[in-house]
Amino acid sequence: EDQVTQSPEALRLQEGESSSLNCSYTVSGLRGLFWYRQDPGKGPEFLFTLYSAGEEKEKERLKATLTKKESFLHITAPKPEDSATYLCAVQGEETSGSRLTFGEGTQLTVNP
Amino acid sequence: NAGVMQNPRHLVRRRGQEARLRCSPMKGHSHVYWYRQLPEEGLKFMVYLQKENIIDESGMPKERFSAEFPKEGPSILRIQQVVRGDSAAYFCASSPQRTGGPIYGYTFGSGTRLTVV
Repeated sequence: EDQVTQSPEALRLQEGESSSLNCSYTVSGLRGLFWYRQDPGKGPEFLFTLYSAGEEKEKERLKATLTKKESFLHITAPKPEDSATYLCAVQGEETSGSRLTFGEGTQLTVNP
Repeated sequence: NAGVMQNPRHLVRRRGQEARLRCSPMKGHSHVYWYRQLPEEGLKFMVYLQKENIIDESGMPKERFSAEFPKEGPSILRIQQVVRGDSAAYFCASSPQRTGGPIYGYTFGSGTRLTVV
């Protein structure tokens, strides 16, 4: 069974204070690892897909990296508008259909 | 190009009533997925559908829950005889093809918040 564990559960940063969120996973053959952002009362918003160890993707202040066991979401010089819950999800080769297994998320708060 | 549309946004039902949640996928998307987010928990897969077919319902509770995606019209998640434990946010997502290929993941709707009183 695919499993995803995200840490920390919550993170509070000052504006401009860079940090990283962790996503540890176990999966039988990784098809893809996904990062989403979720704002209160809204649906998850897609950020990145990573397919193989060593891959990196960037978007504005966010950079996602992938190893064989974990992924990191690096946030450089965050702004208050980056405050949200960040979700990590995986799809394994043995998963029928297109089911994603999500972690419980990291709630990020960036103070001005 | 409208995104994934879910309605209603909020739904209140008394215990024992039926809840019907609707989802219209993005234009050009033929695959629909339903997820449930319980308070303080992560998103949990419920069911994966294509037009007129249920592909994977392994995440659906065995009783009271059903889903369909007819040839015409939105996908429907139906919960019969709701109980307090069904209170959650229900999200629908769509994709143009199965995830796992070189695409951009799902596109989620804004969800339906079901409250059972």
